[in-house]
Amino acid sequence: DVKVTQSSRYLVKRTGEKVFLECVQDMDHENMFWYRQDPGLGLRLIYFSYDVKMKEKGDIPEGYSVSREKKERFSLILESASTNQTSMYLCASSLAFNRGDEQYFGPGTRLTVT
Amino acid sequence: QKEVEQNSGPLSVPEGAIASLNCTYSDRVSQSFFWYRQYSGKSPELIMSIYSNGDKEDGRFTAQLNKASQYVSLLIRDSQPSDSATYLCAVFNYQLIWGAGTKLIIKP
Repeated sequence: DVKVTQSSRYLVKRTGEKVFLECVQDMDHENMFWYRQDPGLGLRLIYFSYDVKMKEKGDIPEGYSVSREKKERFSLILESASTNQTSMYLCASSLAFNRGDEQYFGPGTRLTVT
Repeated sequence: QKEVEQNSGPLSVPEGAIASLNCTYSDRVSQSFFWYRQYSGKSPELIMSIYSNGDKEDGRFTAQLNKASQYVSLLIRDSQPSDSATYLCAVFNYQLIWGAGTKLIIKP
């Protein structure tokens, strides 16, 4: 079974703090993704990575950056957290992006910025 | 703008009946189609994938794809209260486009 883990289930941070969300997958998947999910807006792609040290912007990259130094680990960074970044953050991985392979999700991190 | 449309619901279905969930997409050359289930407060989990026209069955679930009509559906037979969740449709053509989901409620 694919296992995707995220560093925290719940996180509370203050406005202006630098926030790190980490994601690890254990199935040697090439592709990793960061989404945020808000009521009524569905899943929105922030960034994705199709290889180590490679990253691509998704639909809403503003205010975020990512890092992928190792194949199994993909980190999302909020450089200066703001209240409008309060959300559920979901990490996913898939085997091969160009075939549209299924994405497998971690449990999510519910981030609250006060 | 590529779009995937789903009725947000809630769709209420009696226990034991067939639940029918629908999804339309705008990109005519989409290649891969997925249904995910998401329980409240949990992350999405894959139920079905379908790649060619027709029906694909897996237990109580059947996915139906009609590329000419740009339409994909999910049927759940013998619906159970544990099927109550939000169902997300996702469509792939060089990028995965997500629908906003349909909330399904199975009433005992």
